[in-house]
Amino acid sequence: DSGVTQTPKHLITATGQRVTLRCSPRSGDLSVYWYQQSLDQGLQFLIQYYNGEERAKGNILERFSAQQFPDLHSELNLSSLELGDSALYFCASKPGGAWGETQYFGPGTRLLVL
Amino acid sequence: ILNVEQSPQSLHVQEGDSTNFTCSFPSSNFYALHWYRWETAKSPEALFVMTLNGDEKKKGRISATLNTKEGYSYLYIKGSQPEDSATYLCAFIGGRGSYIPTFGRGTSLIVHP
Repeated sequence: DSGVTQTPKHLITATGQRVTLRCSPRSGDLSVYWYQQSLDQGLQFLIQYYNGEERAKGNILERFSAQQFPDLHSELNLSSLELGDSALYFCASKPGGAWGETQYFGPGTRLLVL
Repeated sequence: ILNVEQSPQSLHVQEGDSTNFTCSFPSSNFYALHWYRWETAKSPEALFVMTLNGDEKKKGRISATLNTKEGYSYLYIKGSQPEDSATYLCAFIGGRGSYIPTFGRGTSLIVHP
């Protein structure tokens, strides 16, 4: 158990819908990262937040948005869902904002868009 | 788009064999390289964070080396055990501007008893 929690574990929804994925980082960690794991793309970095501020952006679609709240939990919002958005979404956390530290992954949310 | 290649794609070894695999990445604008172990139905688990050319890190029977000048890192497993069966991922952090990780597709290791 990494100490990072994600909810829900599984989500089934329809095309065109909007969902919110939630991540609670390890106690004391200020950075939260979101990743997407799909069969054809491998593990892709989406976005990083550090202490409430967006720090880095990867391959995140405009239909997706994220935020980190004052209590440091983060939410990833996915809207106008398409079949291709079906994937495993991970969040990870670590204490600081730099890449020289180990990051700890949550268990993931499996999203299925029908 | 940064190119991060891992080889081989998959590997089957017998219990007790030692094995190694490679992560190749751009040799310029290096910031860090991460290695992860990812077991089926679990989440990636960090093995090593490597930041300096010539770095060598060790965790039990697993070790890794880093050559940033030529753009590669090796992961070694000594005396493989069935519980080492997993996908081993590397992530290159570098490039210009803000640093974001680019993951390889992984090496899938299966250790047969």
